Parts: sequence; structure tokens; C-alpha cells
Amino acid sequence: NAGVTQTPKFQVLKTGQSMTLQCAQDMNHEYMSWYRQDPGMGLRLIHYSVGAGITDQGKVPNGYNVSRSTTEDFPLRLLSAAPSQTSVYFCASSYSWGWAFFGQGTRLTVV
Amino acid sequence: KQEVTQIPAALSVPEGENLVLNCSFTDSAIYNLQWFRQDPGKGLTSLLLIQSSQREQTSGRLNASLDKSSGRSTLYIAASQPGDSATYLCAVLRSGNTGKLIFGQGTTLQVKP
Repeated sequence: NAGVTQTPKFQVLKTGQSMTLQCAQDMNHEYMSWYRQDPGMGLRLIHYSVGAGITDQGKVPNGYNVSRSTTEDFPLRLLSAAPSQTSVYFCASSYSWGWAFFGQGTRLTVV
Repeated sequence: KQEVTQIPAALSVPEGENLVLNCSFTDSAIYNLQWFRQDPGKGLTSLLLIQSSQREQTSGRLNASLDKSSGRSTLYIAASQPGDSATYLCAVLRSGNTGKLIFGQGTTLQVKP
């Protein structure tokens, strides 16, 4: 009964490094998405997917890449980390009718 | 362009009070509206979901209403308790339902014993 699992929970990166934030769900949801949460900005959509092999950009996609090869997994890649990407990242999955489940978040610091 | 606003940004009440949190949205073409709870340093927990065809949903001491025509939703918490202290977020899912939620910035609630 895991729900949405995100790894790692915490990460510190140096500017220019790359990394992948992992997200997995075990509810067979079609829709998965990535958000970032920043003070005063709320949660903003980075990328989303409506099924395996289908992804699209959200409101703040620059500097991030996604792919969805399976229903269960939706990794988020930071191509070349910048201090502006310091944030808390949340992965979510949902049924087609919209009830959303969120992971516990990844707290990322870029120095 | 859909925008979601929550007022107030913060609220402090004594234990036992009934309270109302407000959420407004600019585009009435929504699929549903969800209320979430977020504890400090934690993820989001879904509280209530109201489909666009519904007027309200209830779960225990929580009641959420939806008025699409005026672009407003309220979350009513009855007999508040210190354990209700958290940030409450509302989010709308636009018509077309691509799983893309648009969030308000939240109301941080403190319930004092």
C-alpha cells in the first residue's frame, strides 16, 4: 500500500551537476505530474503525463526533462542544476477523474 | 488563464471555533476542485474532492462547498482542534482533465489550545 514514492528525500547538488528525481506509484494511475513548491509561489506544474509514452510541459519546464516508459514510473531529470532550482519537488498521480495522490517530496538544494 | 486565490494567507483561532477557509478561481470551466492538507515538511494529503456538478462534500468535521458561477469554494471546519493546525490548499482541475492541478497559495491555520 505504498501510494506515491519519491526518492531521494533530500539532496544537495553543486551548480552544473545533473541528477534524476525518482517517482513511482502502485495504483495503476494514468496521470502523473511533477510540481515544485517555493515560498510565496505555491505549487507550480513542471511536467505531466497522461499515460506511458506521453508527456507534456507544464508552467515551469525549463531545465527539466521527463520520460514515461512505464505506467508506474515518472522520473524528473535536472540537466544542469542551477541555484534557482532549489525547491521542494512533489510528484503526484491521479485517476482519470482527478483524485490526486502526492508523494512526500524531495527537498533539493543547489549550491 | 486560470488563477486560484486563497484568503486569508494565515489564520489563528482558539480551539473549538468553527472556521471557514476561502478559495476563489477565475475560470468557471473546471472539472473538479480539491482541498488538501499539508503539514510542515510533509507532502499533500487529499481531504475532499468536489466534482463540477456537485455543490458540496462532507468528511467528518470538514465540509467543502462549490459555487462555480461565482468562482468560489469554501472549506468549513467544525469544532477546530490543535491537530487541525496545518496549511490548507485548494486546487482546481481544468475541464479536459489532463491531471494538471492549479493551486492556490494556501491558508496556514493555527489552532491554539
